[in-house]
Amino acid sequence: TQLLEQSPQFLSIQEGENLTVYCNSSSVFSSLQWYRQEPGEGPVLLVTVVTGGEVKKLKRLTFQFGDARKDSSLHITAAQPGDTGLYLCAGAERMRFGAGTRLTVKP
Amino acid sequence: DVKVTQSSRYLVKRTGEKVFLECVQDMDHENMFWYRQDPGLGLRLIYFSYDVKMKEKGDIPEGYSVSREKKERFSLILESASTNQTSMYLCASSLSQGAYEQYFGPGTRLTVT
Repeated sequence: TQLLEQSPQFLSIQEGENLTVYCNSSSVFSSLQWYRQEPGEGPVLLVTVVTGGEVKKLKRLTFQFGDARKDSSLHITAAQPGDTGLYLCAGAERMRFGAGTRLTVKP
Repeated sequence: DVKVTQSSRYLVKRTGEKVFLECVQDMDHENMFWYRQDPGLGLRLIYFSYDVKMKEKGDIPEGYSVSREKKERFSLILESASTNQTSMYLCASSLSQGAYEQYFGPGTRLTVT
């Protein structure tokens, strides 16, 4: 059972564009993690969001946790080719991952 | 930095073989996990362990078993490999119960022919 739905599944943009990807669930999570995975490697943790409504910034990446703690978004400003990868969200407790958004940023 | 290592990056096995995938972490983490990753399905939890000699089934344990004889080592065993077990296998660790941030190894791409 896929408890976390990520959208879009694929996203291809030009360098310098902004983008937002989404992670939605019908379940409430005490926290939610975002990971980035590059080809041939394991996922690497980017951030954990804990409080409903929380916004965290990591350089050009902005993460938001929904008020009800059922959804989250990741916004990237002025995307760069180095942002290319698979972005995964994961809910705490049940250790469930979404299928991911595969982002390609073209130079 | 936490380092999680997996014994092989690529592995090719024949149907019916017994397959061992080894994972070692060097940061004294209590929790260890095994996932498989397939396109469009994301990461699915196979087994996890909160302590030495302890194991819990994840979402898809059928056809797999695990062993945790030492805190730093968590092994995944495919008793009789089948073609539908061809996948990317990822090992992860986390500090303790309630610490949900996971640190992953580089993965083992297993092909069963």
